[in-house]
Amino acid sequence: EAEVAQSPRYKITEKSQAVAFWCDPISGHATLYWYRQILGQGPELLVQFQDESVVDDSQLPKDRFSAERLKGVDSTLKIQPAELGDSAMYLCASSLFNEQFFGPGTRLTVL
Amino acid sequence: GDSVTQMEGPVTLSEEAFLTINCTYTATGYPSLFWYVQYPGEGLQLLLKATKADDKGSNKGFEATYRKETTSFHLEKGSVQVSDSAVYFCALTINNAGNMLTFGGGTRLMVKP
Repeated sequence: EAEVAQSPRYKITEKSQAVAFWCDPISGHATLYWYRQILGQGPELLVQFQDESVVDDSQLPKDRFSAERLKGVDSTLKIQPAELGDSAMYLCASSLFNEQFFGPGTRLTVL
Repeated sequence: GDSVTQMEGPVTLSEEAFLTINCTYTATGYPSLFWYVQYPGEGLQLLLKATKADDKGSNKGFEATYRKETTSFHLEKGSVQVSDSAVYFCALTINNAGNMLTFGGGTRLMVKP
C-alpha cells in the first residue's frame, strides 16, 4: 500500500541552527500539506501545495520558515533559525480528492 | 472562522466498556467531518468520515453520525479494547475550499485490561 514518506523521523538541534524536513507524497497526489503539531494539541496547517504552486501559506511564519515543491512531487520544509518554540511534530499529508493521507511525521526538538 | 471542539481527556475505560468522545464544530461553509487516530510515535490515520448531514461513518467498530442540527460528530464504540488506546482527533474540511483540515485538540483514550 502506498504511503507518505518523511525524513528524518527525529531531529534534535540547537536554537539558531537551520533544519530541513523532507516529504515524498503518495504517487499521483497533486495536493501536499505541511502541518505542525505541538505536543498535546491538534495539527495546524502551515502550507498547502497544489502541484508546485502554494495554495495557502497564511499560517507559515515566513520570517524563518520556507517550503518548496519544485517539481510538484516531493517537498522540503526549512526552518532557519530554529527557536525553542519550534519544538513539535511536523506532519506531511497528501491527497488526490478530499481524503488526506499522513506520513509518520518528523519530531523536532530544539535545545 | 471554522473550529472543532472535543472533550478533554484523558478518557480512561476498562476493556469492553462503551466509548463516547464528544465533538462539536462551527463552520463557515458546508463541512465534511472526520475522525483520525494517532498511536504513540506515529502519524495520523483516518478512522472514519461523513460528508453530508445524517451520514454515519463507521470503521473497526467505531461509529459517528453527522448531526447538522446539533453541529456534532460524536465518536462511539460499543466495546473498547486495550489496542484502541490512542489519541483521537475530530476534524473538518469545508467542501470546495481547498480541503484544508481543521482539527480539534485531541482526546487521549486509555483502555485498561
